[in-house]
Amino acid sequence: DTGVSQNPRHKITKRGQNVTFRCDPISEHNRLYWYRQTLGQGPEFLTYFQNEAQLEKSRLLSDRFSAERPKGSFSTLEIQRTEQGDSAMYLCASSSRTSGDEQYFGPGTRLTVT
Amino acid sequence: GDSVTQMEGPVTLSEEAFLTINCTYTATGYPSLFWYVQYPGEGLQLLLKATKADDKGSNKGFEATYRKETTSFHLEKGSVQVSDSAVYFCALSGGNTDKLIFGTGTRLQVFP
Repeated sequence: DTGVSQNPRHKITKRGQNVTFRCDPISEHNRLYWYRQTLGQGPEFLTYFQNEAQLEKSRLLSDRFSAERPKGSFSTLEIQRTEQGDSAMYLCASSSRTSGDEQYFGPGTRLTVT
Repeated sequence: GDSVTQMEGPVTLSEEAFLTINCTYTATGYPSLFWYVQYPGEGLQLLLKATKADDKGSNKGFEATYRKETTSFHLEKGSVQVSDSAVYFCALSGGNTDKLIFGTGTRLQVFP
């Protein structure tokens, strides 16, 4: 089973440092989403890629956040100058028209900013 | 903007009890509706979905019917098991990107 994978699973960093997360979607999926989930809340949409094009970004995605999907395969999410409020679970999901638009989620990367 | 409201938890039930978790939505257009489940220590999994009014999604004994007139998508199960203990999220998708908008989640605890 080659589901969505995310690395690292856990990241602890000090405030002000930069962090980068990686998501590897299901290989035939052309759509990729990033969400953020804080404790006791549902996931919130951050950004969306179709192939390599970033087509939508939430206003939650401040200018400290940047996401890329070179060549339409894996994606990276970078947070610069981390703040304690960035502590959350970062989730990646992928989908395609042939999968009935169902989004398959990865296990997430838990970020703790100290 | 679009939003989802679901009942707060935790919902605590004895095994074999009947389950209802309420979910209502606000949306422009005609969204698809979903229930996702998150078991302890695991990632989000799609439980069921419905893509148009009056559709019923079902899986693993769970059911939910897309009710456009009441803008609701309540989750039901006739007889819960301890293994159903998890957090359940109602969600909708729509627009050009099909991004998901989630409710806050409802924790279900089933005791033997």
